[in-house]
Amino acid sequence: GQNIDQPTEMTATEGAIVQINCTYQTSGFNGLFWYQQHAGEAPTFLSYNVLDGLEEKGRFSSFLSRSKGYSYLLLKELQMKDSASYLCAAVDSNYQLIWGAGTKLIIKP
Amino acid sequence: ETGVTQTPRHLVMGMTNKKSLKCEQHLGHNAMYWYKQSAKKPLELMFVYSLEERVENNSVPSRFSPECPNSSHLFLHLHTLQPEDSALYLCASSQVASGGGGELFFGEGSRLTVL
Repeated sequence: GQNIDQPTEMTATEGAIVQINCTYQTSGFNGLFWYQQHAGEAPTFLSYNVLDGLEEKGRFSSFLSRSKGYSYLLLKELQMKDSASYLCAAVDSNYQLIWGAGTKLIIKP
Repeated sequence: ETGVTQTPRHLVMGMTNKKSLKCEQHLGHNAMYWYKQSAKKPLELMFVYSLEERVENNSVPSRFSPECPNSSHLFLHLHTLQPEDSALYLCASSQVASGGGGELFFGEGSRLTVL
């Protein structure tokens, strides 16, 4: 079957760096998305990776290794507003999105 | 403002009630989706519409009935629901109805509680 694994919850300190991992097993692969969802709000797009490597967007970076079925989201200089859930979703061979259950990130002062 | 608006934001209904959730997108997209989000579970895709035509129905019970009158509006009609249907129902839109076709734009969701 198809599956996405990501940690349920992580805690980090304001100003620090945190890495949220996502591993996927899908029938075929056509890219991977990361979304951010604050409590009570809509998920919003963060990144899309389809090629191996690191893509940086300000304080947020996303990495993909297709051979390892692995991605991570790296958040630098953490701010309290980064407290949210982070959703990983892989695109399979039928261009369907396979979602992880999300990682709740708690930022402490 | 995400460009996708859902109403109502909160809904409490009994198991014998009939209610509807509404979604409107102001982005000119061709595809619209209903997702169910339950705590600590992956998003569950319920229905996909592309240019007002239903292209996917993921074995959703018939007590959920979607309607897409035009490319900007999507409804989810609810009747004789069960308590386990209590969840956050998210509407989303995208340029095309394909996972690789670009990002999804979500509404803030309708929090449904079935008593």
